[in-house]
Amino acid sequence: NAGVTQTPKFRVLKTGQSMTLLCAQDMNHEYMYWYRQDPGMGLRLIHYSVGEGTTAKGEVPDGYNVSRLKKQNFLLGLESAAPSQTSVYFCASSYSRQGVGETQYFGPGTRLLVL
Amino acid sequence: AQKITQTQPGMFVQEKEAVTLDCTYDTSDPSYGLFWYKQPSSGEMIFLIYQGSYDQQNATEGRYSLNFQKARKSANLVISASQLGDSAMYFCAMGSGAGSYQLTFGKGTKLSVIP
Repeated sequence: NAGVTQTPKFRVLKTGQSMTLLCAQDMNHEYMYWYRQDPGMGLRLIHYSVGEGTTAKGEVPDGYNVSRLKKQNFLLGLESAAPSQTSVYFCASSYSRQGVGETQYFGPGTRLLVL
Repeated sequence: AQKITQTQPGMFVQEKEAVTLDCTYDTSDPSYGLFWYKQPSSGEMIFLIYQGSYDQQNATEGRYSLNFQKARKSANLVISASQLGDSAMYFCAMGSGAGSYQLTFGKGTKLSVIP
């Protein structure tokens, strides 16, 4: 049981390049989330998904797209990377949203540097 | 809108002593949940403890306890008998029951345990 995994762990991009971050979970969770963490700040939600085939915008969605073609995978795409997207990206998942007590479990993070 | 405030950017504690990390929150939703996560230098986010707004008793998980004062809108984390391995960033987060799926995070407190 690996929990939540993220690929890659670290990536350097040039401005304008594109890339996809992959998140996978083996806990059969319905809900998945992408956050970004910047220095001196907590995590901010980019996009989330409440089930296979669904996605929705979070707090800071601009410049990102997501897809959830399979229940266990949640992809985050950057079509044209900008230096402002230099950050640490965390994926998380939760079983459901039955009330507010559902814990989100996080992946190890992906460090992205955009030059 | 939800807001989490952690006023202590950094804290020091002597090994084996107890320490309290402050967290205040703001929400107009009567149903909400409060979470604490630990982020060691390795970067992963580790769930520590949860408190629901309707819970009558303060949550406890091993050496972690949550001092929940609803009228003051505070949810302070208490770590008893600090260990060197407790040195990390600690984030307070809130999820509400108002249809929002995201966790709102504070900016974190860096705890350093001194031998």
